[in-house]
Amino acid sequence: AQSVTQLGSHVSVSEGALVLLRCNYSSSVPPYLFWYVQYPNQGLQLLLKYTSAATLVKGINGFEAEFKKSETSFHLTKPSAHMSDAAEYFCAVSAGTYKYIFGTGTRLKVLA
Amino acid sequence: DSGVTQTPKHLITATGQRVTLRCSPRSGDLSVYWYQQSLDQGLQFLIQYYNGEERAKGNILERFSAQQFPDLHSELNLSSLELGDSALYFCASSAGTPGDEQFFGPGTRLTVL
Repeated sequence: AQSVTQLGSHVSVSEGALVLLRCNYSSSVPPYLFWYVQYPNQGLQLLLKYTSAATLVKGINGFEAEFKKSETSFHLTKPSAHMSDAAEYFCAVSAGTYKYIFGTGTRLKVLA
Repeated sequence: DSGVTQTPKHLITATGQRVTLRCSPRSGDLSVYWYQQSLDQGLQFLIQYYNGEERAKGNILERFSAQQFPDLHSELNLSSLELGDSALYFCASSAGTPGDEQFFGPGTRLTVL
């Protein structure tokens, strides 16, 4: 069975500060891992995905994530937060099946 | 714009009624996924179709059903609606290969009164 856990349903950072959103996964086979972003009243949009080609994955809008097998983690980071980054972020896993399992989401608030 | 379209955008109905949500996938995508997003349950995978055939099933209630037509558009039918069915329903599409990116539509907001 596969699962994903996002730690922290709400995260607040100051503009210009580091953004760190945490995601841990569980899978018995090598997983595909994703981060999606959802802006208010919109659908989800892919930020980046891990498909085993490289452990450090760069995505859009300056975000990146590092796959750490030993820690079963796939945390999302951005060096400097912008006001426009305020949104809800979802981690997802797909492993050995066609199903995609999404985390419960982390709402990011950026403070001026 | 993801290329995935969903209609209607909003739907308000009463308990016990039946509604149909429609999704057109991105051009070239063979796979369609349906999700339900609510405040208390988060984003729940309901069902996946690939080229007209059901491929994976998630937490879909027996009162809900879906199908994918030969032109690849999909419909999600919700019947005997309950207050708790009020949610955002998203459709997503992909090429259908494991690990593919999913492209999400804008969603249909269902309100059951």
